[in-house]
This record gives sequence, C-alpha cells and structure tokens, in this order.
Amino acid sequence: DTAVSQTPKYLVTQMGNDKSIKCEQNLGHDTMYWYKQDSKKFLKIMFSYNNKELIINETVPNRFSPKSPDKAHLNLHINSLELGDSAVYFCASSQGGTADYNEQFFGPGTRLTVL
Amino acid sequence: RKEVEQDPGPFNVPEGATVAFNCTYSNSASQSFFWYRQDCRKEPKLLMSVYSSGNEDGRFTAQLNRASQYISLLIRDSKLSDSATYLCSMDTGRRALTFGSGTRLQVQP
Repeated sequence: DTAVSQTPKYLVTQMGNDKSIKCEQNLGHDTMYWYKQDSKKFLKIMFSYNNKELIINETVPNRFSPKSPDKAHLNLHINSLELGDSAVYFCASSQGGTADYNEQFFGPGTRLTVL
Repeated sequence: RKEVEQDPGPFNVPEGATVAFNCTYSNSASQSFFWYRQDCRKEPKLLMSVYSSGNEDGRFTAQLNRASQYISLLIRDSKLSDSATYLCSMDTGRRALTFGSGTRLQVQP
C-alpha cells in the first residue's frame, strides 16, 4: 500500500546514455513533482504537473523531459546523461488546490550515478 | 540572500535535551510552511505543518514569525531516534515547495 513509489531505486549508467525513472502515486492527488537532491543535500524543484498539465518547469536542461500519462503517474526521461546529473531524484505528490493542501508526500528516491 | 536559510549544524545534544532550530525565508508571499524530517539515504517525510498560531505535536513545537520571516522547531526531551536532518520548507506560490538545506541533529546517549 505504498503511497508514492518510484522505480528504479538505483540507476548506474554511462555518460551519454538515455534513461527513465517512473513514479506512481495511489493517494488520489492532483499534483505531482520531480525534485533533485544533489550531493550537498539541496532539494530543488524541477517540474510539477497538475492533472497531467505542466505547471512548473524550472531552469532544467532540455535533456530532462517529464511525461504524465495520467494524474497518478509522472515519469522522467533523461537524454544524453552527464556526470553532473548524478543525484537523488525524488518524486512527490500533493492534493493541490489551495495552499492548505500543499503538504507533499515523497517517494523513496532514485539514486542516479553517471560514470 | 538565499530563499531559505538554515544552520546546517550538526547539533550534537544529549538525550533528554531540548533543542531548537530556526529557518529564515525571504519570500514574504509564502502562505504555508512545513518541517520535514529526512533520515540518511531516505526520502523527506512531513513532520508537521507550521501555523501562524503555532502548533504542538507531542514533544515537537513549531512556530511562525511572519514579521521577522522565520519559522522554528523545538524538540523537547530528545530521543536517539530524533537524530536526522530537519528541512524547513514553504510554498513558492506555484504549488511547489522551496526547501532549506537542512539542519542535522545528532542525539547522543
């Protein structure tokens, strides 16, 4: 009965490869997010989707492309991986709507290592 | 000035101690505030929301000071299991949260 799940948990790959991370939530939330946490532990928003519609697209390279097939899923595809992409990527979801409903629930994270 | 600033610590305290963390923010338009707890190599988990009137949950008390633009977290009677990194966060007004870099707490026996 996992609330927010991500796969894979670990991803080790070579520079230049293309990889995807999947995220699913069963909380019935309207809004989903991708965050990146770097080696200095800073957690930064990358994207957010509300009901399959892109709301936030921070200054993230075009190599990163989110896709939301339905409001319960938000996948992240990364092209031409670079060393600097190594980080932990967290998916999250929230009910959305007013500020009162912005409590976010995080998935377990995907630890990406680019060699 | 960073959007959200926290003292990275670590705060090393003995069991049973009371410890307090502050977090300052620059976006005066933020409406909702939260404290998250993150254990090593785990995801952040919501510890508590922070309301204008202050709120308490067991040994944890959170307060918001809008005039001075900071939130605080007080932990009483610290337990070994409280050892973690505590992240403050607030909404950006665009349905996303801005996080501080976290304050590391180490409770020692």
